[in-house]
Amino acid sequence: AQSVTQLGSHVSVSEGALVLLRCNYSSSVPPYLFWYVQYPNQGLQLLLKYTSAATLVKGINGFEAEFKKSETSFHLTKPSAHMSDAAEYFCAVSESGSSNTGKLIFGQGTTLQVKP
Amino acid sequence: EADIYQTPRYLVIGTGKKITLECSQTMGHDKMYWYQQDPGMELHLIHYSYGVNSTEKGDLSSESTVSRIRTEHFPLTLESARPSHTSQYLCASSLNSGNTIYFGEGSWLTVV
Repeated sequence: AQSVTQLGSHVSVSEGALVLLRCNYSSSVPPYLFWYVQYPNQGLQLLLKYTSAATLVKGINGFEAEFKKSETSFHLTKPSAHMSDAAEYFCAVSESGSSNTGKLIFGQGTTLQVKP
Repeated sequence: EADIYQTPRYLVIGTGKKITLECSQTMGHDKMYWYQQDPGMELHLIHYSYGVNSTEKGDLSSESTVSRIRTEHFPLTLESARPSHTSQYLCASSLNSGNTIYFGEGSWLTVV
């Protein structure tokens, strides 16, 4: 069975500081991994995804994430936080290969607060 | 940009009423999903479909039902709403397994 754990339900950073949101996954087969962002009263928007190509994945809005198989991690980073980055961030996993059903398993989410 | 639409965005209804949440996508995606999300919590899959006339239960048990008569349309129905159904319902779609899953903006349901 697959699962996702996001360490830290709330992360607070100052504007201009490094953003680091942690995600660890469990999967019995090579996974596909995703980061989504959710702004208040809106749906989810894809930030980036890993599908077994390059381990360092670049996404929108200056975010990137690195797939580390040995650590079963897919942490999200951004060098310099902006006020507009304040939102809820979700890490998600789905199965690759023939067993892939397309379903996503989500982590519990991390609320990012950006202080001026 | 994703072309997936949900209506209504916000709905307040009384206990016992029947409601249908509409979801439509214009991308020709075969796979469609319904997720339920309580405020501040993670998303849970409640229904999914691989194509026309295909519907499956998700990982979280739900009293709602779905249908997939047309590729672009995946409505969710609650025959008799209860306060415990108060939540946000997010519809999503993808072209194939492994492809990006696109989400609608969600439907906020409040049952009083």
